[in-house]
Amino acid sequence: QLQLQESGPGLVKPSETLSLTCDVSGASISTTSYSWAWIRQPPGKGLEWIGCIFYSGTTFYRSPLKSRVTISMDTSKNQFSLRLTSVTAADTAIYYCAKTGSGEPLWIWSRGTMVTVSS
Amino acid sequence: DIQMTQSPSSLSAFVGDRVSITCRASQSIGNSLNWYQQNPGTAPKLLIYGASNLQSGVPSRFSGSGSGTDFTLTISSLQPDDFATYYCQQSYDASWTFGQGTEVEIK
Repeated sequence: QLQLQESGPGLVKPSETLSLTCDVSGASISTTSYSWAWIRQPPGKGLEWIGCIFYSGTTFYRSPLKSRVTISMDTSKNQFSLRLTSVTAADTAIYYCAKTGSGEPLWIWSRGTMVTVSS
Repeated sequence: DIQMTQSPSSLSAFVGDRVSITCRASQSIGNSLNWYQQNPGTAPKLLIYGASNLQSGVPSRFSGSGSGTDFTLTISSLQPDDFATYYCQQSYDASWTFGQGTEVEIK
């Protein structure tokens, strides 16, 4: 059964870089047709898609975040990662990773990890 | 980016009620519309994909309909576990977007 688990710091200082990793178990992240997404949810607010990476390595990002976000994958570790630079308090959120595919829904979600941006 | 607008933003209902939530896309998205349920403190869970396909394990009281720009999630008989927040999401283009959410509360 496919499972996803995020890891990374729960507290990041303003202007620094937020880095999270999502470990995938139960499937290979390089499986053809799979893609992997990051989504976030600010406290008390709705869901916001950040971006995704396809099995081929192709990435797509939400327009307002494009200049600050990088999603990458490490097939040797079966994990994918999120980097968000120059963070501000507005980046404080629960961050989720999820399995998806081209034109597909977000099939399976991680439990989520809270990241707070504060000095 | 395609904008997704849900209505209502919240509703109150009794156990056993039939409730419907609508989602409108700012442009046609075919049937690339998905619905999620989120209970407080937990991750969202996929309910409906491709506008009308019930995800495995989801009770049959949930159903989805629509195509193009207008979509509906219907719960035929509201159960205690259904009091949650529901989100629509389009997977039509490369920049996926969510609706703002609909909170279903107990009356």
